[in-house]
Amino acid sequence: SYELTQPPSVSVSPGLTARITCSGDALPKQYAYWYQQKPGQAPVLVIYKDSERPSGIPERFSGSSSGTTVTLTISGVQAEDEADYYCQSPDSSGTYRVFGGGTKLTVL
Amino acid sequence: EVQLVESGGGLVKPGGSLRLSCAASGFTFSNAWMSWVRQAPGKGLEWVGRIKTKSDGGTTDYAAPVKGRFIISRDDSKNTLYLEINSLKTEDTAVYFCSTDRLSGYDYFDCWGQGTLVTVSS
Repeated sequence: SYELTQPPSVSVSPGLTARITCSGDALPKQYAYWYQQKPGQAPVLVIYKDSERPSGIPERFSGSSSGTTVTLTISGVQAEDEADYYCQSPDSSGTYRVFGGGTKLTVL
Repeated sequence: EVQLVESGGGLVKPGGSLRLSCAASGFTFSNAWMSWVRQAPGKGLEWVGRIKTKSDGGTTDYAAPVKGRFIISRDDSKNTLYLEINSLKTEDTAVYFCSTDRLSGYDYFDCWGQGTLVTVSS
């Protein structure tokens, strides 16, 4: 079955830049989406179509894609950005939705 | 405002069954694909399955771990999505979220409910 691979954890000091990667064989063909989830809450979409930002999401959140890897970048990280981040994309057929294992972002 | 409200979770014994509901409002439910996503305690998100609109055939797709035990259905007259879970296993213990799927035309989950907890234990 199709898998998306994320690092389990990323740590960054406030004001610096955090980068979270997500790798999958179908990513050159399928868009990737990123969600932020804080404890006890439902996920919130922060990036769609690899690099688009939904309304209401701060400009410090951006996304990029290169080959089989997509990257979520958070510039000028703030304490409130501490959360779990999940990438999501369909498999190559577009039928099944797949989540990455999630990355815990810690703001030092 | 789009709103999704799940209900029906609770404590169930292994081998039992449960039906979860998701009441939708704020959008044209009959025009929306809908998905269920679950999250085991302390674990990541896992897509469970999806039902398409009747105009798209009303077909369902399921993740491999639940195929054959889970059934997704919808009642467009009641703006409600359902998830029937059979032959429950302890590993089915999770918060179950309903979400819109491809509401904006792309393969992602636009809006989420707050989730309902299913605990499978003897």
